[in-house]
Amino acid sequence: DTAVSQTPKYLVTQMGNDKSIKCEQNLGHDTMYWYKQDSKKFLKIMFSYNNKELIINETVPNRFSPKSPDKAHLNLHINSLELGDSAVYFCASSQPLAAEQYFGPGTRLTVT
Amino acid sequence: AQSVTQPDIHITVSEGASLELRCNYSYGATPYLFWYVQSPGQGLQLLLKYFSGDTLVQGIKGFEAEFKRSQSSFNLRKPSVHWSDAAEYFCAVGSGAGSYQLTFGKGTKLSVIP
Repeated sequence: DTAVSQTPKYLVTQMGNDKSIKCEQNLGHDTMYWYKQDSKKFLKIMFSYNNKELIINETVPNRFSPKSPDKAHLNLHINSLELGDSAVYFCASSQPLAAEQYFGPGTRLTVT
Repeated sequence: AQSVTQPDIHITVSEGASLELRCNYSYGATPYLFWYVQSPGQGLQLLLKYFSGDTLVQGIKGFEAEFKRSQSSFNLRKPSVHWSDAAEYFCAVGSGAGSYQLTFGKGTKLSVIP
């Protein structure tokens, strides 16, 4: 059973389009995250939700909007895609009052 | 603000040789420290973690790490590297349980020569 899953695994799209990435975790965790990994492998947190409430919102363009319909899901919607949005996006989750995070397999987004 | 430095961008070792990957952190209080591994095209897998107690922690796949507060370091070691250990390794620091914030180093790529 996959603990943290993401769909799609690959996403190729053109500039200006709107796309979504979905994340689901079956670990019973209350907290979920989105990270962006750039071409140099640097990982930076974008958002964090705890029990469906936004708790971390790093300096991310407004074109990125996370949505958490329930504790097990955290989706990322991106409007007006730009070339610089090309990256691998990772979803992660953690237990309440714990620090270690469990990561999904990633979604490689390529904007052409 | 917390930060993590991994001084080595790329390390190459021969299969069977020992390995040490360096990690230095900056954080005012007792940190929560982690090592993650990312195989090509994969997500990040937690290798080991340090919260408190014994400063030498054991992880999966035969890895261990030692927390040295005086040196602000949390180096990862393995006595004998296998070809399957070739991957990217990330050190991360968190500010505590429930803090939700992990700061990652820039990673060290490990290549293994057969």
